[in-house]
Amino acid sequence: KQEVTQIPAALSVPEGENLVLNCSFTDSAIYNLQWFRQDPGKGLTSLLLIQSSQREQTSGRLNASLDKSSGRSTLYIAASQPGDSATYLCAVMDSNYQLIWGAGTKLIIKP
Amino acid sequence: DGGITQSPKYLFRKEGQNVTLSCEQNLNHDAMYWYRQDPGQGLRLIYYSQIVNDFQKGDIAEGYSVSREKKESFPLTVTSAQKNPTAFYLCASSPIRGRTEAFFGQGTRLTVV
Repeated sequence: KQEVTQIPAALSVPEGENLVLNCSFTDSAIYNLQWFRQDPGKGLTSLLLIQSSQREQTSGRLNASLDKSSGRSTLYIAASQPGDSATYLCAVMDSNYQLIWGAGTKLIIKP
Repeated sequence: DGGITQSPKYLFRKEGQNVTLSCEQNLNHDAMYWYRQDPGQGLRLIYYSQIVNDFQKGDIAEGYSVSREKKESFPLTVTSAQKNPTAFYLCASSPIRGRTEAFFGQGTRLTVV
């Protein structure tokens, strides 16, 4: 059964730092992996979608990588800003077209 | 403006009551989903629908029911059989169920009083 893990559960860094969020999954048979952002009490906003045949995707200061063989993805945030503070969730789409979710990493960027 | 609208934002339910959460999308998406989010856990799938008049149970369907009479609408009813309904409920849609991006509504927080 596919399991998705995000470590750490929470992260606090000073403004301006580059940082990496981690996502690992147990079954490499996936269709894609998505990173989402969730602000407190709000819905999810899709940040990046990486298809299983891709190695990375970039959007502005965000870069997501995917290594299917090792079951890992990272979300790199460059030059972090207080507005980046949120919970970041990753989800993999498994062979049954179901999204399997990590519990998220709560990110706090200190001004 | 295209998107997914969930209502209400906050909902209070008395013990033994059924309540219905609304989800409407104007993105012309075929697939729609309902998730439950609890603190410290990943989202869990309640129900999903790939086409009108068809829906499938997810991992935690017990105590919930859905309908898909129109492409745009996928309401979720939390029945009295759901013993622990207090949670944040998220509705999502995607063009097709598969290799495409999912879009989410803003969520409904349900509290049992």
